Amino acid sequence: KNQVEQSPQSLIILEGKNCTLQCNYTVSPFSNLRWYKQDTGRGPVSLTIMTFSENTKSNGRYTATLDADTKQSSLHITASQLSDSASYICVVSAGNYGQNFVFGPGTRLSVLP
Amino acid sequence: KAGVTQTPRYLIKTRGQQVTLSCSPISGHRSVSWYQQTPGQGLQFLFEYFSETQRNKGNFPGRFSGRQFSNSRSEMNVSTLELGDSALYLCASSLGRVGYGYTFGSGTRLTVV
Repeated sequence: KNQVEQSPQSLIILEGKNCTLQCNYTVSPFSNLRWYKQDTGRGPVSLTIMTFSENTKSNGRYTATLDADTKQSSLHITASQLSDSASYICVVSAGNYGQNFVFGPGTRLSVLP
Repeated sequence: KAGVTQTPRYLIKTRGQQVTLSCSPISGHRSVSWYQQTPGQGLQFLFEYFSETQRNKGNFPGRFSGRQFSNSRSEMNVSTLELGDSALYLCASSLGRVGYGYTFGSGTRLTVV
């Protein structure tokens, strides 16, 4: 069964600190993996997208890694800001053209001053 | 360029009624997909339309249906509303090819009373 798990479920950190969110998946055939940031009451916003051959991708203070062998991905946030408080969702696309989406439950990040 | 536009933003309906939600994709995007997001279930894929054809469907009952017009705008219809249909309904648009990202709208918050 295609499945995406994320940990931790929630995380509280102080402003300026770094943090790492985890995503483990069992999805086949793998097409790509995306990380989204979702503010409360808003739609998700894409942070990174990685295909099978990519093992790291950065978007400002966000760096995602992908280990296709162990089927794990991480999202590292550097020098956190209050505006980073949001849910972070890992989405794995399966199928020949990535048409099947499997969503993780998300990690709720709270950044405190 | 304009993002993905969903209307209305908020909606309150009575159990048993039907509802139609609208999504206007980013100009040039031919793929529109719909998602349901609830606190308990997270994000769940409803269906995807590409060039007016449904090319992928999630595991939702037949009360949930959609269509896409020649200008790529899409509508989602839910008939015989149930209390459990209360959720944030998100649509996302994409060029529809592997590796391209999906841009989400802000969603329609549907409350069924």
